[in-house]
Amino acid sequence: NAGVTQTPKFRILKIGQSMTLQCTQDMNHNYMYWYRQDPGMGLKLIYYSVGAGITDKGEVPNGYNVSRSTTEDFPLRLELAAPSQTSVYFCASSPSLFANTGELFFGEGSRLTVL
Amino acid sequence: GENVEQHPSTLSVQEGDSAVIKCTYSDSASNYFPWYKQELGKGPQLIIDIRSNVGEKKDQRIAVTLNKTAKHFSLHITETQPEDSAVYFCAASRDSSYKLIFGSGTRLLVRP
Repeated sequence: NAGVTQTPKFRILKIGQSMTLQCTQDMNHNYMYWYRQDPGMGLKLIYYSVGAGITDKGEVPNGYNVSRSTTEDFPLRLELAAPSQTSVYFCASSPSLFANTGELFFGEGSRLTVL
Repeated sequence: GENVEQHPSTLSVQEGDSAVIKCTYSDSASNYFPWYKQELGKGPQLIIDIRSNVGEKKDQRIAVTLNKTAKHFSLHITETQPEDSAVYFCAASRDSSYKLIFGSGTRLLVRP
């Protein structure tokens, strides 16, 4: 059972470079999310999607873009990487949009360093 | 704004002892409180949750208590084992909200 799969697991970027973090899930969940986790901090929501073709901003969307062309895939794009984007990124999916009615299933994370 | 404070940031206990992690939330409309466990190199995983109409919930060695008046909730792990070593996150949410507000995490170390 694959669940939520993220690639790459590690990446080093130079300031100003761009990259895409890939996320795919095989649970047929409509709802998908991108979080970032900074040291000593909780997870912050970047973007979320309620289904193919529909995305919306979370708490910290600046510097990121997402797309959702299929139910399975929810890539996160970083344009013009900055040191402030150094973080661990988690993709998650859920059978429900609302936090109190559906468990979040997380991927294993992507550690990004911007130098 | 909405905030969840979590304490302690690190906790070291002897195997077999109990561990308690506490969280305080600011949004009085919050009514759903999950706990996630994150093992090294893995994503967080839901271990237990509680809703505001319940004061306590147990699942084997773990339990969560909620005090709505004081706006705090706690995770209790009894008879700790080395495999309980991980980072634990509390979170809070209100009805019909997609947003989970996470605490900053507690790193639990269970010494054999």
